[in-house]
Amino acid sequence: AQSVTQLGSHVSVSEGALVLLRCNYSSSVPPYLFWYVQYPNQGLQLLLKYTSAATLVKGINGFEAEFKKSETSFHLTKPSAHMSDAAEYFCAVSDYSGTASKLTFGTGTRLQVTL
Amino acid sequence: DGGITQSPKYLFRKEGQNVTLSCEQNLNHDAMYWYRQDPGQGLRLIYYSQIVNDFQKGDIAEGYSVSREKKESFPLTVTSAQKNPTAFYLCASSRSTGGPNQPQHFGDGTRLSIL
Repeated sequence: AQSVTQLGSHVSVSEGALVLLRCNYSSSVPPYLFWYVQYPNQGLQLLLKYTSAATLVKGINGFEAEFKKSETSFHLTKPSAHMSDAAEYFCAVSDYSGTASKLTFGTGTRLQVTL
Repeated sequence: DGGITQSPKYLFRKEGQNVTLSCEQNLNHDAMYWYRQDPGQGLRLIYYSQIVNDFQKGDIAEGYSVSREKKESFPLTVTSAQKNPTAFYLCASSRSTGGPNQPQHFGDGTRLSIL
């Protein structure tokens, strides 16, 4: 079974600082990986996805993630944090199951941005 | 605009009562999903459906039931057998063609509480 592990349930950065949210995956086949963001009392919004076309993936709101097979990682970064980035972030891996793209989620990382 | 609508936003259940959460999508997606979200546990899959009149259990189906009579609708019933129903419930949908890299689109959730 495929899985993802998010290191750090809470991350705090200053506004303008680098954001780094960690995700490691476990998969016996080439993985399809996703990052989602969730604002309070809302659903999840797709930030970006990795589909093997390129190891560096650019997403919305200035976020990007780099797929590193040797490290089984798919960390999310943003060069300069903004107050509006405060939210919970989820890494997920797609399970090969018929025609439904079943997702297995990590436990999430809550990002706090301080002045 | 296309999207997923979940209702109600807040729901209260009495002991021994069944309640039904509504999920409607106008994205013309074949696949639909229900997740349960608890603090610190990420999202866990309850049920999913790849096509009308067909659905499969996810990781935590006990105490829940679903139906898929129409492509756009996937209601979830939380039965009295679910002993710990207090949680945030998220509905999602995705295209069934295109493989495992299809992202899921989420509604804004229903928060269920026990009276």
